[in-house]
Amino acid sequence: GQQVMQIPQYQHVQEGEDFTTYCNSSTTLSNIQWYKQRPGGHPVFLIQLVKSGEVKKQKRLTFQFGEAKKNSSLHITATQTTDVGTYFCAGGDSSYKLIFGSGTRLLVRP
Amino acid sequence: EAEVAQSPRYKITEKSQAVAFWCDPISGHATLYWYRQILGQGPELLVQFQDESVVDDSQLPKDRFSAERLKGVDSTLKIQPAELGDSAMYLCASSWGTDLQETQYFGPGTRLLVL
Repeated sequence: GQQVMQIPQYQHVQEGEDFTTYCNSSTTLSNIQWYKQRPGGHPVFLIQLVKSGEVKKQKRLTFQFGEAKKNSSLHITATQTTDVGTYFCAGGDSSYKLIFGSGTRLLVRP
Repeated sequence: EAEVAQSPRYKITEKSQAVAFWCDPISGHATLYWYRQILGQGPELLVQFQDESVVDDSQLPKDRFSAERLKGVDSTLKIQPAELGDSAMYLCASSWGTDLQETQYFGPGTRLLVL
């Protein structure tokens, strides 16, 4: 079945450093969504990308969808302690359901 | 702001016992999802409802799990009998429709521990 792989599993950065997480699918995706889950919390929707090569920005966060619609990335510029949490990508597959990646846990040293 | 409600927030049970979780989606949301999230992993879809009908339950272990949404509003997920491997967070989410491009709103989850 379709798999969505996410790397790295963990990232520990100094506050102010940049952070990037990558998401790769074994098949072409219809869309990709990104979620953030704070420790002890539930996933919260961040953004959705639909078009090939699409790039969207939310303040310090930049999201990209690959040209082949099989990979995506989330980049955070100048991390802050409030960015701590696990970031999940979720790809829409051909059977119309979201497949979540395993997530990247971000830890930020103040 | 409207939210997805879930109860209980925490549940501790012994193996072979029955457990049930409840979810009330955001008002007006026709689609309801139940996910299971094992510690350190992403959510995995168990069952999807469109109104009162099951759209996808291909990943639901039907020998022990059941889900219903009788009136197309709130939903119950049941496990009977519970096994040690069922320990996980059970998340409910809802969206306006079935279009994958719609945002899914997650509830706070029910954390289940099976002893």
